[in-house]
Amino acid sequence: EDQVTQSPEALRLQEGESSSLNCSYTVSGLRGLFWYRQDPGKGPEFLFTLYSAGEEKEKERLKATLTKKESFLHITAPKPEDSATYLCAVRGNSGYSTLTFGKGTMLLVSP
Amino acid sequence: DGGITQSPKYLFRKEGQNVTLSCEQNLNHDAMYWYRQDPGQGLRLIYYSQIVNDFQKGDIAEGYSVSREKKESFPLTVTSAQKNPTAFYLCASSILAGPDHNEQFFGPGTRLTVL
Repeated sequence: EDQVTQSPEALRLQEGESSSLNCSYTVSGLRGLFWYRQDPGKGPEFLFTLYSAGEEKEKERLKATLTKKESFLHITAPKPEDSATYLCAVRGNSGYSTLTFGKGTMLLVSP
Repeated sequence: DGGITQSPKYLFRKEGQNVTLSCEQNLNHDAMYWYRQDPGQGLRLIYYSQIVNDFQKGDIAEGYSVSREKKESFPLTVTSAQKNPTAFYLCASSILAGPDHNEQFFGPGTRLTVL
């Protein structure tokens, strides 16, 4: 059974204070690790897909990295508009197109 | 605009009633999914469909039913058998071009409250 654990559950940062969110996973044959952003009361917004250890992807102030056991979402010099819940999900060999999600990290960036 | 639409945004149900949540996509995606989200929990898969007229149960299918008569549409019925239906329901879709590059894209969600 695929499992995803995200930490911390909540994170409060000052504007400009860089930090990282963690996503630890166990999966039978990783077919993709996905990061989403979710604003309150809205559907998740796709950010990144990572497929193999060592891979990195960037978008504005966000950079996602992947190892064989975990992924990090690095947030550089965050702004208040980066406040959201960040979700991590994996697809393994056991599910052809289905994802297993973590519970998310709620990020609050104060001005 | 291409995307996924869900309706209604808010839905109130009396106990014992069945309700149907709508999900439509114009992305020409093959697969569609229904998730349930509760506070403090991750998204949990209810049902998914990879092709018209076929669907599979997810992790929490009991008390729910679906149909996939058209590629664009995947309605979810919450039946009276679902004991705790109050939740935020999310529909998603993806292409199926092999095992990779199958990012799921989500609709705006429907919040269901049982009175």
